[in-house]
Amino acid sequence: EDQVTQSPEALRLQEGESSSLNCSYTVSGLRGLFWYRQDPGKGPEFLFTLYSAGEEKEKERLKATLTKKESFLHITAPKPEDSATYLCAVQAGGSQGNLIFGKGTKLSVKP
Amino acid sequence: DAGITQSPRHKVTETGTPVTLRCHQTENHRYMYWYRQDPGHGLRLIHYSYGVKDTDKGEVSDGYSVSRSKTEDFLLTLESATSSQTSVYFCAIQRGDTEAFFGQGTRLTVV
Repeated sequence: EDQVTQSPEALRLQEGESSSLNCSYTVSGLRGLFWYRQDPGKGPEFLFTLYSAGEEKEKERLKATLTKKESFLHITAPKPEDSATYLCAVQAGGSQGNLIFGKGTKLSVKP
Repeated sequence: DAGITQSPRHKVTETGTPVTLRCHQTENHRYMYWYRQDPGHGLRLIHYSYGVKDTDKGEVSDGYSVSRSKTEDFLLTLESATSSQTSVYFCAIQRGDTEAFFGQGTRLTVV
């Protein structure tokens, strides 16, 4: 069964304190792994797609990496505006766009 | 996302009444999706469409039906709403090969 597990469920950081969020997955043929950011009361906002092990992508203070079993979202020197819930999702090979989501990591960055 | 509009944004309805949620896109994408988001479950796929009049079931399709008579509109119908269908509903479109972009959501409360 395709499955995505995110950890930790919640993370509190001080401004400037770097950390990483984890997304472990089991899927029958990975077509893509996706990271989204979701603010309260809003829809998920697309951040990254990773397709194969070893791939990395960066956007401002965020860097996503991928191995055969997990992905990390590294947050460098976070700011309060980075506070949000971060969602990880996978798409299995052969599926018509169906994304399997994890439950998310709620990140709080205090000034 | 500016290319996707969901309506209504909020709705309260009574148990047993029919409810239709609308998703409208302005970008002419082939694939459209309906997800629901509940605490402790993350986002789960209800139904998806891969073209006009072409739809298929997702993970949690019981109690829901969909229709797509035009490329730009994807409708989700609860034939007889139940309290278990209280949730936040998100529509998504697929841009490119794999990347899904979400609307702002519809918060539905069934009383």
